[in-house]
Amino acid sequence: QKEVEQDPGPLSVPEGAIVSLNCTYSNSAFQYFMWYRQYSRKGPELLMYTYSSGNKEDGRFTAQVDKSSKYISLFIRDSQPSDSATYLCATSLNTGFQKLVFGTGTRLLVSP
Amino acid sequence: SAVISQKPSRDICQRGTSLTIQCQVDSQVTMMFWYRQQPGQSLTLIATANQGSEATYESGFVIDKFPISRPNLTFSTLTVSNMSPEDSSIYLCSVNRGLYNEQFFGPGTRLTVL
Repeated sequence: QKEVEQDPGPLSVPEGAIVSLNCTYSNSAFQYFMWYRQYSRKGPELLMYTYSSGNKEDGRFTAQVDKSSKYISLFIRDSQPSDSATYLCATSLNTGFQKLVFGTGTRLLVSP
Repeated sequence: SAVISQKPSRDICQRGTSLTIQCQVDSQVTMMFWYRQQPGQSLTLIATANQGSEATYESGFVIDKFPISRPNLTFSTLTVSNMSPEDSSIYLCSVNRGLYNEQFFGPGTRLTVL
């Protein structure tokens, strides 16, 4: 079993839709949760960073962590064609040394 | 964030040869990380490079195959040795930066081995 599971997609939505991207993880010791966005032929770009359970909002993006079910989500409101990319979830045990464990990424396509 | 550059951005290499990838950061950092991103696979940590000490390799990765140098606090190299087509991948370096030690990635090196 992979430590972090993520549906590879692709997920296709029309412009303006609300997008929900999800990951599950197996190790209850994970404490830090991240979402990265990766455009084609680019390195991953950090979008959101959360600690433990709860929600964190940044503009059109909301990250949600439910540690009881080992489930993490990223919501994108009013999706734009420029949001088309691969979204990677990642977790780690601590911040002092961040050995990140990644999901495989979900490819999102937002059509105009 | 951090400004990270990698060279080369891409390369096509022959089986059995070696390629050295360079990673340059815009300011001093304690640790630099090297990841591999194979097609359809998740990013996987290869090793952690501290300045002045041997790199620490993750399970499944060995120094003979992926030697790493860390000559100063802004630079590191990863060599992919005796390459085979299975080494075709994107190789990424990253660093910790910021209040919560967030991890930032370079643009990656896309390697194709024929």
